[in-house]
Amino acid sequence: GDSVTQMEGPVTLSEEAFLTINCTYTATGYPSLFWYVQYPGEGLQLLLKATKADDKGSNKGFEATYRKETTSFHLEKGSVQVSDSAVYFCALSLTGGGFKTIFGAGTRLFVKA
Amino acid sequence: EAQVTQNPRYLITVTGKKLTVTCSQNMNHEYMSWYRQDPGLGLRQIYYSMNVEVTDKGDVPEGYKVSRKEKRNFPLILESPSPNQTSLYFCASRLRWDLETQYFGPGTRLLVL
Repeated sequence: GDSVTQMEGPVTLSEEAFLTINCTYTATGYPSLFWYVQYPGEGLQLLLKATKADDKGSNKGFEATYRKETTSFHLEKGSVQVSDSAVYFCALSLTGGGFKTIFGAGTRLFVKA
Repeated sequence: EAQVTQNPRYLITVTGKKLTVTCSQNMNHEYMSWYRQDPGLGLRQIYYSMNVEVTDKGDVPEGYKVSRKEKRNFPLILESPSPNQTSLYFCASRLRWDLETQYFGPGTRLLVL
């Protein structure tokens, strides 16, 4: 079935370090791909998205590229800040079944000053 | 301010005592859904609604009911809560079923004793 797998956390980095959170997916057809961020005590917010192969989504210094050949959508940021500490969810959305969204398990990021 | 609100934010109850978690959005969105978030499992969809009086089961509907009598409200009902329904619940909405960007409420943390 359709699924999203992302790296287990927590990930702990020092401020200004480079961030990569891996995400791979399995899906029939051509899904749209998303990264959501959840700050402590809040709901999920859309961080970025990509709707077709080779698209790059970007927002707030974060980037992810839709790689159809490797079925991946890895999240990257060149220099993390303490304020980036949150849980990050990779997700896919399928056009069938009412645009159902399937989420990964989430990766918690801690950034130390 | 455009938002999705949920009440209560925190709830402790006992097995078998019926409860309702309310969800309301002020963006005139057609599509609303409920998710539960559990450690290591990400978010899983419980129920969704494509419009008023149109609801359908998601991936984990057992033990839950919903109703959509008005466009803005989508309450989640637990007729006879059990400890395995202890979780963090999120309501989400989007403008139409075929538009991808979802807006999430702040979450309701439920403990069933």
